Amino acid sequence: KAGVTQTPRYLIKTRGQQVTLSCSPISGHRSVSWYQQTPGQGLQFLFEYFSETQRNKGNFPGRFSGRQFSNSRSEMNVSTLELGDSALYLCASSPVGDTEAFFGQGTRLTVV
Amino acid sequence: SQQGEEDPQALSIQEGENATMNCSYKTSINNLQWYRQNSGRGLVHLILIRSNEREKHSGRLRVTLDTSKKSSSLLITASRAADTASYFCATPPSGGSYIPTFGRGTSLIVHP
Repeated sequence: KAGVTQTPRYLIKTRGQQVTLSCSPISGHRSVSWYQQTPGQGLQFLFEYFSETQRNKGNFPGRFSGRQFSNSRSEMNVSTLELGDSALYLCASSPVGDTEAFFGQGTRLTVV
Repeated sequence: SQQGEEDPQALSIQEGENATMNCSYKTSINNLQWYRQNSGRGLVHLILIRSNEREKHSGRLRVTLDTSKKSSSLLITASRAADTASYFCATPPSGGSYIPTFGRGTSLIVHP
């Protein structure tokens, strides 16, 4: 069974630009969660999607958004990038959400 | 704010020694999970312990859960250099939507 795939692995963007990150969950998993990891804040929960609906949302500004498609693949978008958005963005999938989560390798975003 | 907090923040031991990490959380839970993260990569699920369990083993890992104290511990016995990683506890609160939150982690270094 293929694992969680995140693309791209590395990204460099300029302040003010926008970026879209992609996550393909494990086949059959309906829950996809996104996290931001920085040295100062640790792992912060962004949002969770389940069956194309945003089920939970963390405490992030509206510049951070996401969506989930009918095949459970998910994208997250960050608009008007700021230097502080530089982080490792992790995606995790699970069958229903309240069980073991399987993580992708992450997308390392650098904003310059 | 973080739901779970690991202690200590950093741990340095010699190969063969045991490593113990603790996690404290704030609200009631259905289960508690431990994850490992190798430098800058995705998290790997280690073990899940349910709220009605007090102890669980998996290979060299032993996890305990004390719901009265809202705390858990992870013991790695006979540590190896390959155990060098950051370890996180994750606590999805019970009684509501699934919002998995992670602590800041314990950074474990095992010297060969």
